[in-house]
Order: sequence, then C-alpha cells, then structure tokens
Amino acid sequence: DAGVTQSPTHLIKTRGQQVTLRCSPKSGHDTVSWYQQALGQGPQFIFQYYEEEERQRGNFPDRFSGHQFPNYSSELNVNALLLGDSALYLCASSFGVHEQYFGPGTRLTVT
Amino acid sequence: GNSVTQMEGPVTLSEEAFLTINCTYTATGYPSLFWYVQYPGEGLQLLLKATKADDKGSNKGFEATYRKETTSFHLEKGSVQVSDSAVYFCALSDSWETSGSRLTFGEGTQLTVNP
Repeated sequence: DAGVTQSPTHLIKTRGQQVTLRCSPKSGHDTVSWYQQALGQGPQFIFQYYEEEERQRGNFPDRFSGHQFPNYSSELNVNALLLGDSALYLCASSFGVHEQYFGPGTRLTVT
Repeated sequence: GNSVTQMEGPVTLSEEAFLTINCTYTATGYPSLFWYVQYPGEGLQLLLKATKADDKGSNKGFEATYRKETTSFHLEKGSVQVSDSAVYFCALSDSWETSGSRLTFGEGTQLTVNP
C-alpha cells in the first residue's frame, strides 16, 4: 500500500514565477492538508481540502491556492513567488477527521 | 489561538541515556496531542498520540502523557539509541473529534545521540 506521495522532490524557481506542487493521498484517504516548513522551523498549516472544497485555511496570502480532484489527489499553487517562499512543502492525508499521514515533501528554492 | 512550545534545542546525549523533551500547549477545547519525528531529508512520521486527558501515548520505547492540569505533553525515553537521532515535533489538533483537522506544531527539538 503506497503512502502519501509528492512530486516533484525538488525544484528551483525564480522570483515572480508560479509553481504547482502535487500530492497523492494514501489509499482510502479523502482529506488532504498542506503545510509549509521553513528551514529550522516547525510546519505551518496552509489549507485543507475535503470533497474538492477548501475546508480550513491558515494565515497565508491568496497567492497560495489549491485544488482537490475527484480521485482525492491535490495540487498546491503559489503565484508571484518570493524569496521567503523557499521551504519544504509537506502534504498530509487522512480519512475524514482521523490522524494525518505525511508525505516526504517537496523542497522549493526561490532564487 | 492554539500554540505549542517546545524546549529549546539542540539536545545531545550519549547512547543509553534518559531523554526528556518538554512540550507545553495553549488551546481552547480539548485538543489531541501528538509527537512527530523527522529524520534528515524526510517528511514527518507520527511517533505517538493522546486524545484526552491522562491518556499515555507510547511507541518504540517513547512515552508521553497528556496532562491537562499543566497543559503539557512531555516526551520521554528510558534509553536512547544512535538511531533516535532526529528532529522531534510536538503538535496539537483542534479537538479529539477533529484530529484530522489542522495541526499546530512546535519549533522542533534536534536530538543527537552519540555512541
């Protein structure tokens, strides 16, 4: 049984560009959450998707947006990238309100 | 809002030493509490959890007890191994009914165990 998978593993973007990160949840899970982890910090909640709708949102600007597909996979989009967006982006999946399982993350570097 | 405070690191121990990593929290309602571990270059792995007061979570020799009166969830292990070297995060979710809800994390504690 595959766990949570994320792609790509690493990527490098330039300030002002846009980026899309992808997440496939663990089999049987229907809820996807995204977190941003800056170097040396704990993860910060970005938003959560359930039934293709954004259910909860953390304190992140509108440049951060997402989507959930009918197969429960999800995308995180970041527009107008800033140097401060450089971080490890973690996806977590769960079945409804049960515990969350994390993927390996996507390391984004903005230059 | 919710918040989690962990003891400042890093922590360096010798193999077979006793480990304590302190964690205190601020939350409304009845949150669930978690310890996650992150090995170098990897995502987070759930180590243990507790969903109500006085519950004790345990896994792989690690333990933590949900103390509502002191709003704490300290992580302990009686004898650490080199393979325990990692970053440990304390976290809470909004309530035991919504443990799939947003997680609020502490800053993390880097543990290094020397042979």
